[in-house]
Amino acid sequence: SYELTQPPSVSVSPGQTARITCSGDALPKQFAYWYQQKPGQAPMLVIYKDTERPSGIPERFSGSSSGTAVTLTISGVQTEDEADYYCQSPDSSGTYVIFGGGTKLTVL
Amino acid sequence: QVQLVQSGAEVKKPGASVKVSCKASGYTFTSHYMHWVRQAPGQGLEWMGIINPSGGSTTYAQKFQGRLTMTRDTSTSKVYMELSSLRSEDTAVYYCARDRALAPYYYDAMDVWGQGTTVTVSS
Repeated sequence: SYELTQPPSVSVSPGQTARITCSGDALPKQFAYWYQQKPGQAPMLVIYKDTERPSGIPERFSGSSSGTAVTLTISGVQTEDEADYYCQSPDSSGTYVIFGGGTKLTVL
Repeated sequence: QVQLVQSGAEVKKPGASVKVSCKASGYTFTSHYMHWVRQAPGQGLEWMGIINPSGGSTTYAQKFQGRLTMTRDTSTSKVYMELSSLRSEDTAVYYCARDRALAPYYYDAMDVWGQGTTVTVSS
């Protein structure tokens, strides 16, 4: 079955740049979406259609795409960015929705 | 403001069924498809399926086919998720989430989420 692969964890210091990757064979054909989830809260959309940022999301959040991978970049990381991040995309047929396993971002 | 409000926590015995509701407000209910996503304790997000609030058509993840039923009531702007033959592994927080695209399009982002409903399956 189709999978989206993310690293389990990423650690950065405040002010540095965090990059979280998500890989999947269908990503050249399907858009990817990124969600931030803090403990005890519902997920929140931070990037849609690979690179677009919803209103209200800080400019330090950006997305990019290259081949079978997409990347969420957080520039000038702040302590409040510490959270779990999930990528999501339809499968290659566009029939089902898949989530990556999630990446825990730790801000040291 | 656009809002999704879900029903309260449930405790069920193995083999039982659970039905969770999600009430939409602040937008035209039939204009956006609705997803259901669950999260087991300490685990990641798992997509369960999607419903078209206008016509009622559904697509379920293969894992849940035969046990999952999604319905909607346009008179109350509510969607429902019913999961049957519950087992301990179904213990999770269940979320409804609006699809960002305007119907008839779907499988865009999930831009609005409910607060989550905790379902506990225990004997």
